[in-house]
Amino acid sequence: NAGVTQTPKFQVLKTGQSMTLQCAQDMNHEYMSWYRQDPGMGLRLIHYSVGAGITDQGEVPNGYNVSRSTTEDFPLRLLSAAPSQTSVYFCASSPLGGLSYEQYFGPGTRLTVT
Amino acid sequence: GNSVTQMEGPVTLSEEAFLTINCTYTATGYPSLFWYVQYPGEGLQLLLKATKADDKGSNKGFEATYRKETTSFHLEKGSVQVSDSAVYFCALSDRGSGYSTLTFGKGTMLLVSP
Repeated sequence: NAGVTQTPKFQVLKTGQSMTLQCAQDMNHEYMSWYRQDPGMGLRLIHYSVGAGITDQGEVPNGYNVSRSTTEDFPLRLLSAAPSQTSVYFCASSPLGGLSYEQYFGPGTRLTVT
Repeated sequence: GNSVTQMEGPVTLSEEAFLTINCTYTATGYPSLFWYVQYPGEGLQLLLKATKADDKGSNKGFEATYRKETTSFHLEKGSVQVSDSAVYFCALSDRGSGYSTLTFGKGTMLLVSP
């Protein structure tokens, strides 16, 4: 049981390039989400999904796209990278429903856009 | 909307000192409350949680009590260790929506010296 995995761990992009951050979980969780972490800002929600084929925007969705074709995978796409997207990105998953709503986080992807 | 406010850091303590990290929240519904911990270079891990008023979450010597009357969820530990040095995030989830979306505070860095 690997939990939540993210690739790559580190990435450097030039302004205008595109890339996809990968996220996968093997816990059969319905809910998956992407956060970005910036100094002094905590974690901010980018996009989330409550199941295959269903996605929605979070607090800071601009410049990012997502899709959810399977329960296991939830990739995050940067269509045209900007320096403002330099950040650490975390993927998380959890079951839906219940009282605890505990989320399981991946190890993160550190992205630098120059 | 929902929001979480936690004390700014860094909090610097000597080993065996008493720790308090304050956290207050604003929520429209009846949230569940969480403390997550992030060790250097890693993702977030759930430290403890509480799902209703007056519940006390505890783990690894840390405790926090869900206080609805003061909308607070302060984190405490009686005797910190160097290994507790990390960033601590207070968070809430909105059960009203049925989803697992987390709202985070900005995080508090704890530095413990020998």
